[in-house]
Amino acid sequence: DAGITQSPRHKVTETGTPVTLRCHQTENHRYMYWYRQDPGHGLRLIHYSYGVKDTDKGEVSDGYSVSRSKTEDFLLTLESATSSQTSVYFCAISEQTGLNSPLHFGNGTRLTVT
Amino acid sequence: ELKVEQNPLFLSMQEGKNYTIYCNYSTTSDRLYWYRQDPGKSLESLFVLLSNGAVKQEGRLMASLDTKARLSTLHITAAVHDLSATYFCAVVNAGGTSYGKLTFGQGTILTVHP
Repeated sequence: DAGITQSPRHKVTETGTPVTLRCHQTENHRYMYWYRQDPGHGLRLIHYSYGVKDTDKGEVSDGYSVSRSKTEDFLLTLESATSSQTSVYFCAISEQTGLNSPLHFGNGTRLTVT
Repeated sequence: ELKVEQNPLFLSMQEGKNYTIYCNYSTTSDRLYWYRQDPGKSLESLFVLLSNGAVKQEGRLMASLDTKARLSTLHITAAVHDLSATYFCAVVNAGGTSYGKLTFGQGTILTVHP
């Protein structure tokens, strides 16, 4: 999986608690992304990073924050988890945004908020 | 805002038959990707289509792109059970600084029956 590790793979948490998901890459790629996957919606972009400390919001960023202090790590934090954030979260990386550079995805984190 | 729509969303096929999945998108784009996802797994890149008229083939799958019509097709020839999976198309916004962000279609769940 292109040197991408997501942790944890599964998590169950209670409403109102903070949760942090980690994406670690060994490819030294500049661009990193967090998506969530829900039935009927495909994958939707939460946040992305175009370099260390450079991040921006995607289309479904409310309730989420991110940090990237090192090239290899991109953290996604749910400030106060809600049931609507129950989902499968995928991290993706890309070497460059030019031609012929598909995103490579991690194995996903299944998060359940009870 | 870029929107990507796939149809059909569910496709049940008999082995040996042919079928086509359609992907329409709403604004100009210079890149379109097709991904495959097996249940509970990550996304695997199948094709990258970069220009109008582009056609790529891999085994029983053939993808094409018509940028004027904003349409891509994924054609399945003589389906076999191993092709059962969910297929996503994804499009990059053209112009400006897209940072390689992808907008995904809803996905097509393909089931191939004996």
